[in-house]
Amino acid sequence: DAGVTQSPTHLIKTRGQHVTLRCSPISGHKSVSWYQQVLGQGPQFIFQYYEKEERGRGNFPDRFSARQFPNYSSELNVNALLLGDSALYLCASSWRLTSGVGELFFGEGSRLTVL
Amino acid sequence: KNEVEQSPQNLTAQEGEFITINCSYSVGISALHWLQQHPGGGIVSLFMLSSGKKKHGRLIATINIQEKHSSLHITASHPRDSAVYICAVKGRDTASKLTFGTGTRLQVTL
Repeated sequence: DAGVTQSPTHLIKTRGQHVTLRCSPISGHKSVSWYQQVLGQGPQFIFQYYEKEERGRGNFPDRFSARQFPNYSSELNVNALLLGDSALYLCASSWRLTSGVGELFFGEGSRLTVL
Repeated sequence: KNEVEQSPQNLTAQEGEFITINCSYSVGISALHWLQQHPGGGIVSLFMLSSGKKKHGRLIATINIQEKHSSLHITASHPRDSAVYICAVKGRDTASKLTFGTGTRLQVTL
């Protein structure tokens, strides 16, 4: 069984551009969460989607948006990129909304560099 | 003050040593995760705890809900244990949002 897959693994953008990051959860998992990890820090929660609905949003500006598709894959979009958006973007999936009683599975991340 | 604090930030140990990493949190939680992150970014879930103690191989995790504190222990450490260990807590709301500590970077040498 494939794990959580993210694409692209690495990308370089310039300030002001737009980026789309993709995540495919483990088969059967309906919840996808996105996290931003700046170098040297712990991940920060951005969004959670469950059954195609947003179920949680972290303290990020409106330049960040996401959606979940009928097959439970997800996209994270960031507009008007800033240098500070350079980070590792992690996707995590779980089979239900409250992963507290199950395991959480992370992808390898998409490393975004904004120049 | 961060909601989740870990100590130490960096830890160097020799192969075979017993290692303890600590995590303190300031919010009410429903669960606490210990995660391992290798260079390059991939994160693996080691434990999910809501009370007591769990053991998996050479790894032991404990949690004291009253004191809002958890520890991760590694017995007979090995260079392949070198990684960043991250504590993350899940609040009591219905979503799965995790709040992460900044991680403990462990280096185990021969």
